[in-house]
Order: sequence, then C-alpha cells, then structure tokens
Amino acid sequence: KNEVEQSPQNLTAQEGEFITINCSYSVGISALHWLQQHPGGGIVSLFMLSSGKKKHGRLIATINIQEKHSSLHITASHPRDSAVYICAVSGNNDMRFGAGTRLTVKP
Amino acid sequence: DAGVIQSPRHEVTEMGQEVTLRCKPISGHNSLFWYRQTMMRGLELLIYFNNNVPIDDSGMPEDRFSAKMPNASFSTLKIQPSEPRDSAVYFCASSLGVAGLYEQYFGPGTRLTVT
Repeated sequence: KNEVEQSPQNLTAQEGEFITINCSYSVGISALHWLQQHPGGGIVSLFMLSSGKKKHGRLIATINIQEKHSSLHITASHPRDSAVYICAVSGNNDMRFGAGTRLTVKP
Repeated sequence: DAGVIQSPRHEVTEMGQEVTLRCKPISGHNSLFWYRQTMMRGLELLIYFNNNVPIDDSGMPEDRFSAKMPNASFSTLKIQPSEPRDSAVYFCASSLGVAGLYEQYFGPGTRLTVT
C-alpha cells in the first residue's frame, strides 16, 4: 500500500462545477503539500498546511491530522484548472508523493 | 527573482555516457532538493541538501548517481554511466528551510532521454 493515496486518479468536470480531490496518508508528517502540474510539465506549490484550512482564490485545502486525510477543493472550476494535482507529505528530511489526480475541466 | 533555474532543459544521450544536470536555487534559500519523475513511479525524492550539506540521499538509486552542492547557488546531479532506465524528468526545488516546514519552489525540470 502506498504511503500517500489520492483519489480519484482521473476526474472530468464541466466548467463551473465544484471539485474535490482527496488525499490519505499513513505516515507521520510535518506538513502536507498540494502541487499543481500543468501539461507543460512545470510544478507549482499550491498549499502547504499542517492543520485546519487554507484558501487561495477559488482553491481551498483542508487537513484532518487525526484522520490523516486532506482535501483540495476547486470552486467554479474553469478549463484552465485542467492539470495534474499532486498530494505530498513531508517529514523533517523527506517528501513522499501521491500518484496524482488528472483533472480535465470541459467548457 | 528568476526562480529555480535548471539546465539543460532537454538532454538526449547514449547509454554509457556521463550526464550532468545543473540547478541554481532561488537566492536566499538554504535547502535544495533533487527529484525524479517517471510515468511508472511518479515523483521521487533523490537527495536533499541543507546549507550545502547532503542531509538525506537515501533516494539516490545507485552508485551511478551522485550529487554535489559546492556553494549556496549551484548544485549538480551526475549520472555515470547512464542507462535507458534513467530516462525521466529531473526536477530541482529549493526552499527557505528544512524539508517539511517550508514551501518548495520547483524548477522547470530537465527531460533526460537515454537511448
């Protein structure tokens, strides 16, 4: 079993829909990261969180430390949100990654 | 700031050749990470430097891989000899502090193809 599990693997949505991507982990962590990788390949850090909830524009990330679970929400999705979203967890000296969720938002 | 700079962006080489990938972290960042991304294994941490010192190299696949950080503004990842299974995208990232406590900034990656 992978230490970081994401679901779903693939997600197709219509423009405007509310989207949720889930991440569960089985190891102790210092922080959880949500990354976005666009078709061109570049990786951008969206959020780093160790408790509670963070919001940036239409993106919201939550984490439940007791349940070892995090969610990434996208409100009012847009075709430009189409990308691979990767969950990663970090300890003091390492980073472990989920397999990613490929999101396609259709106009 | 220009962000994390990696070179080359693309590298095609023949099996057995030496490959050197280069990274310039964001000025002022004291942690640097090398990652490898493949279709089969996704993203993997290869090695992590803090203040130019390798802290964790447990992800380095084998002795053919080596990484150095001679100063705060430059790091190299070397593969010698290269093999076709080394084909991947190699990312460098930097952050203000230790892994796990600071946001990481990724370079554009180097796409390596070994034929």
